Amino acid sequence: DIQMTQSPSSLSASVGDRVTITCRASQAIASHLNWYRQKPGRAPTLLMYSTSTLARGVPPRFSGSGSGTDFTLTINSLQPEDFATYYCQQSHRTPLTFGGGTKVDVK
Amino acid sequence: QVQLQQSGPGLVKPAQTLSLTCTVSGGSVDSGYDYWSWVRLPPGKGLEWIGYIYYNGNTYYDPSLKSRLAISLDMSKNQFSLRLTSMTAADTAVYYCARFRFLDPDAFDIWGQGTMVTVSS
Repeated sequence: DIQMTQSPSSLSASVGDRVTITCRASQAIASHLNWYRQKPGRAPTLLMYSTSTLARGVPPRFSGSGSGTDFTLTINSLQPEDFATYYCQQSHRTPLTFGGGTKVDVK
Repeated sequence: QVQLQQSGPGLVKPAQTLSLTCTVSGGSVDSGYDYWSWVRLPPGKGLEWIGYIYYNGNTYYDPSLKSRLAISLDMSKNQFSLRLTSMTAADTAVYYCARFRFLDPDAFDIWGQGTMVTVSS
């Protein structure tokens, strides 16, 4: 199985801050890396797919980069609705696997 | 647009079987582009992929659940279902159905509302 490791597991930030979350795969996954945001009590929503392509309706303050084993999600100018938990997920091969999550809360 | 509506019990006794159903509206489960999926979120943990089914009936399961798991399709009702046997407290989680769209975006792009399942006597 491909293990996905996210860091940090949590961070505190303020509205307007720039936030960076990293995700590392235990083996190379090309660009088959997706990001989701999950607000408390809600289902996850797709933010980014294939490393750097914004999902429909996602604002451009979100960006993604990386390839192989190391990937990054960046949120420029954090907004109130961005306080949530973020997950990376590899779609390179089954079993599909997620990172452990990064919780972004209010500083 | 495609929507997923989940149904099923929120409380299951230990050793019993969990059955959940996901009804697809605005689309069809016989789409060749989609894998109909189940994902869960245990309390205090991260998301876990359970498995998915393709329109032709092919299934792909997480190896850790494979011996207890069955995912099925009912095209006449435009539904897919999960059946997980021998439930234990470790299976307590929020269970989500989701659409995994192949190639574009090659990700879980539509999710159900979630069902909190508690395993307790």
